[in-house]
Amino acid sequence: GNSVTQMEGPVTLSEEAFLTINCTYTATGYPSLFWYVQYPGEGLQLLLKATKADDKGSNKGFEATYRKETTSFHLEKGSVQVSDSAVYFCALSLLRGGADGLTFGKGTHLIIQP
Amino acid sequence: SQTIHQWPATLVQPVGSPLSLECTVEGTSNPNLYWYRQAAGRGLQLLFYSVGIGQISSEVPQNLSASRPQDRQFILSSKKLLLSDSGFYLCAWSPPGADTQYFGPGTRLTVL
Repeated sequence: GNSVTQMEGPVTLSEEAFLTINCTYTATGYPSLFWYVQYPGEGLQLLLKATKADDKGSNKGFEATYRKETTSFHLEKGSVQVSDSAVYFCALSLLRGGADGLTFGKGTHLIIQP
Repeated sequence: SQTIHQWPATLVQPVGSPLSLECTVEGTSNPNLYWYRQAAGRGLQLLFYSVGIGQISSEVPQNLSASRPQDRQFILSSKKLLLSDSGFYLCAWSPPGADTQYFGPGTRLTVL
């Protein structure tokens, strides 16, 4: 079956530190890959996506590159801010029959300290 | 632009009581619609999805059901709630045939 594995944390960093959140996947086929962010008490917001190998998704200073050879989609940011504190979810989608639920990792709780 | 609404935002219900959660989408037609549950320590689990009115696919056997009475309305129901139904319920939509999903604000359900 399909699955997504990511570090659960919590990951605690100081402001302006470099961030990496690892994500690896297993899929029967060629999925699209996503990062979503969830702030406390809220729904999920799409952060970035990539649809094919070597694509780089980017948004708000975050980046992730679709690596087919290592089945990975690691999230990076060069300098984190306190406002980046949230839970980050890696997810994949394999469209079938015109619709497909996303397969999510368990989420990584990120805490940025001033 | 498209927006997605869920209500209620929070709900506390006794075991054995019925449930009805509603999700509506504005600004689009014929969306794919999804219900997910987020339980503590278990990540996000897909419960149901729908590609059109009256068309519901269930991913996980449970005592919940879903209905889509109108194009942009998706309802999650239960006849008798269990303690294990507690969680954060998220509705999502995607354009037909697209893989990117957009999530609503969620409903926090506590079953006592």
